[in-house]
Amino acid sequence: QVQLVQSGAEVKKPGASMKISCKASGNSFSSYSLNWVYQAPGQSLEWMGWIIGRNGDTRYSEKFQGRVTITWDASAGTTSLELRSLSSEDTGVYYCTLRDGYIFFRVDIWGPGTKVTVSS
Amino acid sequence: QSVLTQPPSASGTPGQRVTISCSGSTSNVGGNYVFWYQQFPGSAPKLLISRDDQRPSGVPDRFSGSKSGASASLAISGLRSEDEADYYCATWHGSLWVFGGGTKLTVL
Repeated sequence: QVQLVQSGAEVKKPGASMKISCKASGNSFSSYSLNWVYQAPGQSLEWMGWIIGRNGDTRYSEKFQGRVTITWDASAGTTSLELRSLSSEDTGVYYCTLRDGYIFFRVDIWGPGTKVTVSS
Repeated sequence: QSVLTQPPSASGTPGQRVTISCSGSTSNVGGNYVFWYQQFPGSAPKLLISRDDQRPSGVPDRFSGSKSGASASLAISGLRSEDEADYYCATWHGSLWVFGGGTKLTVL
């Protein structure tokens, strides 16, 4: 049974960077991707990007390209999301998800989310 | 503004059948699998329907998905009070994974 445990809530100042993590346990998929999804307060979901577990290839949404880095430490089973040049518009909840594939998948397991507040 | 259009709200009474639509184009819904997610307030989304019409293990068969052309639908039969939640459709749009705006389902 795959479980995702995300790091705790953070408060950041505008202009700062954040780095949050997500540890996956019980993953037995031979092919998988770790994805990050953002949800602003009261809003819909927004995919930020993925990293492919097998080879570390990444793909980012154009909206976050240049400000975001997703990494995967296979030995620790942990993915991290770094987002730079934070503004109040980055306030919200960040979810990691584990899929049994990248473009084609059937399973999409979500972590509980990490709340990030950007405020001066 | 999402490329996937969902009604902002839907409602029904216990026992009823309700459907939630997700309208797109040949660039997204019409050419790729559609997924549906259920989200309760304060909780993470959960995958409800995979690949247009497949229920992951543990999802009640009251939930079903379908697709025709560039439109997809989520149907919930035998509506229960615990189905009150937000529902999102999602699919690929080029190289971008996109979500619909979400539909808030109220059980009257």
